[in-house]
Amino acid sequence: GESVGLHLPTLSVQEGDNSIINCAYSNSASDYFIWYKQESGKGPQFIIDIRSNMDKRQGQRVTVLLNKTVKHLSLQIAATQPGDSAVYFCAENFNNAGNMLTFGGGTRLMVKP
Amino acid sequence: DAGVIQSPRHEVTEMGQEVTLRCKPISGHNSLFWYRQTMMRGLELLIYFNNNVPIDDSGMPEDRFSAKMPNASFSTLKIQPSEPRDSAVYFCASSGDLDTQYFGPGTRLTVL
Repeated sequence: GESVGLHLPTLSVQEGDNSIINCAYSNSASDYFIWYKQESGKGPQFIIDIRSNMDKRQGQRVTVLLNKTVKHLSLQIAATQPGDSAVYFCAENFNNAGNMLTFGGGTRLMVKP
Repeated sequence: DAGVIQSPRHEVTEMGQEVTLRCKPISGHNSLFWYRQTMMRGLELLIYFNNNVPIDDSGMPEDRFSAKMPNASFSTLKIQPSEPRDSAVYFCASSGDLDTQYFGPGTRLTVL
């Protein structure tokens, strides 16, 4: 059928709860992964990254988990706040692609006060 | 650090007119990327420069689109002639040696 636009998966959470956003990546040769946050009317903003020699990395209130066996990446946000409401993109880089990134379709996070 | 700078932030033009979007990457970054974002297609890579040289332009939609990077601190994306279907938000991003791309605020283009 004719596409009428991207349908972004949406995650709705209560303020203060933890959020988990998932991403399945495509290339088993990918060795670098990034999570971006995009608020309405703004450009994607770097949140956290992880290289393939790690399976977990923590930032401030955010944790990225990498499972290379099943090619799965997740972003955990602790104590979610209204300001976390945005679209979140995962991106992957494989080492024969220069600095090019392949982006996922995005997940919309909505935080209910 | 000023981050990636794009201008103009908004552009409204009529079909058939030439449009030029501008980007100043982060100082010291050697890679620059132009993306287009629409509701229909999401975020699409248009072209990628490394050390001012176009490396991959396979995402450029057609000959009406052209991009240049005359020096390490400036790039342009030009659409001539513009069409209504070119309406989108155009992002510029830059990266250094560590692969992380940093995005500008975008230019929202509306072609009437």
